[in-house]
This record gives sequence, C-alpha cells and structure tokens, in this order.
Amino acid sequence: DQQVKQNSPSLSVQEGRISILNCDYTNSMFDYFLWYKKYPAEGPTFLISISSIKDKNEDGRFTVFLNKSAKHLSLHIVPSQPGDSAVYFCAASPYGQNFVFGPGTRLSVLP
Amino acid sequence: DAGVIQSPRHEVTEMGQEVTLRCKPISGHDYLFWYRQTMMRGLELLIYFNNNVPIDDSGMPEDRFSAKMPNASFSTLKIQPSEPRDSAVYFCASSPTGGRNQPQHFGDGTRLSIL
Repeated sequence: DQQVKQNSPSLSVQEGRISILNCDYTNSMFDYFLWYKKYPAEGPTFLISISSIKDKNEDGRFTVFLNKSAKHLSLHIVPSQPGDSAVYFCAASPYGQNFVFGPGTRLSVLP
Repeated sequence: DAGVIQSPRHEVTEMGQEVTLRCKPISGHDYLFWYRQTMMRGLELLIYFNNNVPIDDSGMPEDRFSAKMPNASFSTLKIQPSEPRDSAVYFCASSPTGGRNQPQHFGDGTRLSIL
C-alpha cells in the first residue's frame, strides 16, 4: 500500500502556462516533503522542499503548496518551459526516518 | 566536482547469473543509499549506510540481494542468483549528513535487464 501517491502518471501543458503536479500521502507522521525532477537516463535531482511548519515554499518558477489537513501537496511551475519536461517525484518522511517516494508524474511541456 | 558515479550504466544478463552493481559516492558524504525504480512501485529504498555501516536493510527484497561498503568511496549491490523480476533501474545516492534539509545526490543509475 503506497504511502505517497501521485495519481496522474502523466500531464501535458502548453509552454508558458502553469503546470500543477499533485501528491497525496497517507501517513500523518510525514512532516518534511521534497520534489525531485528526473530526465531520461539521468538520476533524480532535488528541486524544492517544504516542512510541515509552512504551507508554501517558493523558488523562482517553482512553488510547493502543502495542505496538511488534506494530506496533499502540489508543485506549481509558472511559466512552464520545454526544459521542464521530465518525471517529477514527490517524497515524504517522518522525523528521523528516510524518505518514501511516490511513483512519479511525467510532465510534457509542449512548445 | 564529480557527482555520484555508478557502473555499469546498462547490464543485460541471463537468469541465474550473479550481478554486481557499483557506486562511488561524492567525496565527504557520510550517507549512501541504494534505490530501485520500477514502473509499478516507483523509487524504493533498498538499504542505506552511514560511515560505511549498513543502518537499515529492511527494503532489501530477498536474501538474493546483498550490499557492502568496504570503504568511504565504494559500495556494491549484488544479486545472486538474478531473476527476471529483478529487472529495474538501480540508483545509488549519497548525502553529506543524512539530514532531511540536505537532499540526496543521485547517480545516473544502472539499467538492469535479466533475461
């Protein structure tokens, strides 16, 4: 039973528009969350993080929102660029433990 | 600054053969992680080391899997005997302290195909 879910296996967005990637988790003990980005034939690279003491963290075009009551987080990319086309993994961990990764969402940004 | 280096990049072998995957972490990183990525289960943590000592191997699927870290700059993941269901991409990652605010750095992975 997956503790971290990314229910959309894929997403297509037009260049310049907003991309919204969603992640749901089941373990209420999770209090730290990460997003990783992965290009084909490469390893995942860290993108952005958020602690449960916040509900939003922003880094340039990337913003992560956390809704603790709904056990939901989302990654917003504005504006989307073709170079953002990749697989995005959501990961979560409880304090003192390792991260659990979701299955990933493949984002395609169309020119 | 070299990243995490994994070898081989691709491995194709027949069922029953021994497979050894290799990893060189980033120098100075005290934590090393082995992951497996499959379509069905995404990224799964298999085992991790702190200062060359295995800390948690609860993710290792079966006794056919073993991992070692003989020194700070080298780790291996071995599968013996290999089975077709072991086909996946295996990633090694390292981090400086294991703290959650210091994300892991991943290698480019080894794509393993067991025929």
